[in-house]
Amino acid sequence: LAKTTQPISMDSYEGQEVNITCSHNNIATNDYITWYQQFPSQGPRFIIQGYKTKVTNEVASLFIPADRKSSTLSLPRVSLSDTAVYYCLLEGYQKVTFGTGTKLQVIP
Amino acid sequence: DVKVTQSSRYLVKRTGEKVFLECVQDMDHENMFWYRQDPGLGLRLIYFSYDVKMKEKGDIPEGYSVSREKKERFSLILESASTNQTSMYLCASSFITDRGQVPQLQETQYFGPGTRLLVL
Repeated sequence: LAKTTQPISMDSYEGQEVNITCSHNNIATNDYITWYQQFPSQGPRFIIQGYKTKVTNEVASLFIPADRKSSTLSLPRVSLSDTAVYYCLLEGYQKVTFGTGTKLQVIP
Repeated sequence: DVKVTQSSRYLVKRTGEKVFLECVQDMDHENMFWYRQDPGLGLRLIYFSYDVKMKEKGDIPEGYSVSREKKERFSLILESASTNQTSMYLCASSFITDRGQVPQLQETQYFGPGTRLLVL
């Protein structure tokens, strides 16, 4: 199965833009790249999904280069409530691969 | 809103017991998943199912089995619980969107609140 690699942890000050990069060198043609957010004692929840180029929603942006071997989640102007673990996933037809997650700590 | 419920939030069992974890979703999703989550290891896929009575092994199926007799319900079974199965167990569901896209898109997964299992 394809694997994903993310930084274990990141710190950021409130109001800054945060970029979390995920490496997925063996991504398959059918895989979509999805990012989830998880707070303590809760299940992960969907943030954003893309296949290639750039996707933006009201919460985040996702940048995917042409070779699709990596992706970057961008959170604009983070607040304390964005402190969470962020997971990068490859979601293909009938298969899914979770990364180990990046623990983001937002500092006042 | 999609709702995924799990039968228990917290469970304490003894080594050797048979344990059933139940998951129910109310959105007619084809796909259902069982993960376990451990500190430093993230989420690891145990089993998934893409249709009733269908099941596929994930990354760590050893020591577990599953049952999907109805579309809305996916059960995880620990045949003989062991202390190394102490973990947080998360259930999720999703559906396939066939919009004529290639590749076929698997929609986002919706997760339940999790069951924290302690095996003594």
